[in-house]
Amino acid sequence: VQLQQSGPGLVKPSQTLSLTCAISGDTVSSNSAVWNWIRQSPSRGLEWLGRTYQRSRWFNDYAVFVKSRIIINTDTSKNQFSLQLNSVTPEDTAVYYCARGDRTGETWGQGTLVIVSS
Amino acid sequence: EIVMTQSPATLSASPGERATLSCRASQSVSSDLAWYQQKPGQAPRLLIYGASTRATGIPARFSGSGSGTEFTLTISSLQSEDFVIYYCQQYNNWPPWTFGQGTKVEIK
Repeated sequence: VQLQQSGPGLVKPSQTLSLTCAISGDTVSSNSAVWNWIRQSPSRGLEWLGRTYQRSRWFNDYAVFVKSRIIINTDTSKNQFSLQLNSVTPEDTAVYYCARGDRTGETWGQGTLVIVSS
Repeated sequence: EIVMTQSPATLSASPGERATLSCRASQSVSSDLAWYQQKPGQAPRLLIYGASTRATGIPARFSGSGSGTEFTLTISSLQSEDFVIYYCQQYNNWPPWTFGQGTKVEIK
């Protein structure tokens, strides 16, 4: 399984951060896979942001501290999932990772440095 | 939310030496504990899960132990590529995954 991330590295304050994670070697709608977003910054360390997965239907779970601002979507036609983080501030500056795994991060994307600055 | 605390923050050791890294959970996580290695500019790589099971392709010099709230990652003989940062992560009470702040292993 390989994960390839894409998206802008610079976002203005109050705007929306959008990243995509393209999957190869698995399918986003797999009934055994879970797809996650995690971020890492020097001040806050590694932070799990949320996940999406399909069983009988699609499920999403989000970290409490971003729950009001985050959406994780899937695109089965492109076999990818995405992160949207609204109303960003400089505190959202971090390296963002996508990862496959339920209990642990088995496979990770390459990471995307996102800087929030005007 | 379970808080994970790693010690020491930095471990100084020489190649060939044994390294012992610690991770403590704020409440019991049973054996639901993973260790990751992160090299500069790379994503974390899963080393250990279930507190003591090596992930696929991980060398035998890496071993994990512990249960409940106290865990240890041991590197039996440090190789040059092992001088990087290590993180623990609990998944007993998830989501969310929660991570320790990391231990940097540096060359003495």
